[in-house]
Amino acid sequence: GAVVSQHPSWVICKSGTSVKIECRSLDFQATTMFWYRQFPKQSLMLMATSNEGSKATYEQGVEKDKFLINHASLTLSTLTVTSAHPEDSSFYICSARDRAGTETQYFGPGTRLLVL
Amino acid sequence: QKEVEQDPGPLSVPEGAIVSLNCTYSNSAFQYFMWYRQYSRKGPELLMYTYSSGNKEDGRFTAQVDKSSKYISLFIRDSQPSDSATYLCAMMANAGGTSYGKLTFGQGTILTVHP
Repeated sequence: GAVVSQHPSWVICKSGTSVKIECRSLDFQATTMFWYRQFPKQSLMLMATSNEGSKATYEQGVEKDKFLINHASLTLSTLTVTSAHPEDSSFYICSARDRAGTETQYFGPGTRLLVL
Repeated sequence: QKEVEQDPGPLSVPEGAIVSLNCTYSNSAFQYFMWYRQYSRKGPELLMYTYSSGNKEDGRFTAQVDKSSKYISLFIRDSQPSDSATYLCAMMANAGGTSYGKLTFGQGTILTVHP
């Protein structure tokens, strides 16, 4: 149980294009999902908190117009990196909190983004 | 000063050794404590979850939380090469606070168990 999937697992795109990453909770409902970014040999940095049916809450320093988050259902949240640039290249990971369970977060496998 | 401090290592041990991983923290509002294991190029995997102080054991893994000292530990017994990964401690405040729901991570400790 408590499986979170992400799609795609990796993506290469040209500078200036937009990329959408999906995060799904497969066997539980998640009222809250979180989006993280991780650089090589560093810990996870929280970008935003996504609540089903409401606007996402962004961490300080994260551009909400660049990183668009939509949490349309209890099992799906999407992160769209708009007008991607090489500095946006990173490992993006989502997590989901089980509304019916403990306060733990279950993480997806991550999406590796490379912007050329 | 970071809210959560974790020695990044790297830590290298022989197979079968007991591994001790630790984190200290400064925020007394933290009530939920977790350990995650992350293999290279993968998402973190939940290993242990503890609420408030105390010990918890699951197979070869034991988690300890000492809130009076603001110190948490993860012990791995009979370590195996497959345990080689980065171990992240994470903490969360109790309900009602502005930081509720957000995990604060340590830097992660890189562990290598060699045969």
